Amino acid sequence: DIQMTQSPSSLSASVGDRVTITCRASETISRYLNWYQQKPGKAPKLLIYAASSVQSGVPLRFSGSGSGTDFTLTISSLQPEDFATYYCQQSYSTQKTFGQGTKLEIK
Amino acid sequence: EVQLVESGGDLVPPGGSLRLSCVASGFTFNTYAMTWVRQAPGKGLEWVSVISGSGDDAKYADSVKGRFTISRDNSTNTVWLQMNSLRAEDTALYYCARRIQKWSKREDYFDYWGQGTLVTVSS
Repeated sequence: DIQMTQSPSSLSASVGDRVTITCRASETISRYLNWYQQKPGKAPKLLIYAASSVQSGVPLRFSGSGSGTDFTLTISSLQPEDFATYYCQQSYSTQKTFGQGTKLEIK
Repeated sequence: EVQLVESGGDLVPPGGSLRLSCVASGFTFNTYAMTWVRQAPGKGLEWVSVISGSGDDAKYADSVKGRFTISRDNSTNTVWLQMNSLRAEDTALYYCARRIQKWSKREDYFDYWGQGTLVTVSS
């Protein structure tokens, strides 16, 4: 199975900060990489698909980049509603594995 | 408006069985693959299974292969997850989600999710 490793596992930041979360695949996955946001007690929400395409309705402060094995999610200017847990997910293989998550907390 | 509503979660003893349901609305159900993703308490997301729009192709995570069966009825817009030989490690919130797959654009993702149904495996 393809393993997905996110870093950091947790992150403290302030409103207005620029934040980057990294996701690394154990083997090449082209651009089959998605990002989801999950708030406590809520279902995951799709943010980014195909590494860099922003899902409809998602604020443009969210962006994604990368290909092959290394990917990033960037939030250009943190807003209060962005504090949540973020997951990457590869969809290259049949076993569609997720990263372990990055918890973004208020500093 | 796309809606996915899961049900069927319960407390079940180890070795027991349970069937989860997900009823969809707001889209042409038979043209989309559907998937189940689970989340153990306080843990991350784990993909479980996916079924094609026609229902003739299904895939499973290694952790549930041979124990879980996914199926669907396109006349009632329902997808099920039959779970047998349940183990404590199957305890989780089970989400139903819609799959979008466009190979030509390297797009394969889950765009709408239900709110989940809780399965607890314990004696």
